[in-house]
Amino acid sequence: EAQVTQNPRYLITVTGKKLTVTCSQNMNHEYMSWYRQDPGLGLRQIYYSMNVEVTDKGDVPEGYKVSRKEKRNFPLILESPSPNQTSLYFCASSLDDSSYSPLHFGNGTRLTVT
Amino acid sequence: KQEVTQIPAALSVPEGENLVLNCSFTDSAIYNLQWFRQDPGKGLTSLLLIQSSQREQTSGRLNASLDKSSGRSTLYIAASQPGDSATYLCAVINDYKLSFGAGTTVTVRA
Repeated sequence: EAQVTQNPRYLITVTGKKLTVTCSQNMNHEYMSWYRQDPGLGLRQIYYSMNVEVTDKGDVPEGYKVSRKEKRNFPLILESPSPNQTSLYFCASSLDDSSYSPLHFGNGTRLTVT
Repeated sequence: KQEVTQIPAALSVPEGENLVLNCSFTDSAIYNLQWFRQDPGKGLTSLLLIQSSQREQTSGRLNASLDKSSGRSTLYIAASQPGDSATYLCAVINDYKLSFGAGTTVTVRA
């Protein structure tokens, strides 16, 4: 089944403890991206990747890192999480630069930083 | 910076009524516009994608129009059903960057 898989679905951690949220797609998509969703602010793009080894910042990249060493994986890294990074995170992918192909979303990761 | 606005924020209609959801954006230099559906606790499901050169797209009971020059898109859902209850979001793409509206939460009453 074609899908975008995020893990974990739920994560509770403490301030400053490094964590990684994984994202994997099995559709051979070139474009992948990360978003956070907050009440009243909607979905905001964190980082995106046009292809392997090519990444760029979205609207809210501060406090996050990403890497794209393989086409199928695009992990989101929080080196030193803070409470303001408590949010619902989504990974998405599309066939190419997303201009002409729809985005496929994962089911989300709910992160709580205490 | 692209700003995307969706009006109304919430909508409640009786079953069978047609739904009209609005989306406006400030920068007309978009690659495409997409409409998504989000159910509580779930990810987003793509409903329709309209390329910048297109005026509308249709899928079943759904029809979306795009007027790039005025920065507007409208999603029409015909003959609404309780299963259409969800949050609907629009998103536009400029230079690989995606900007979302805050969404319209729809409730269809049986």
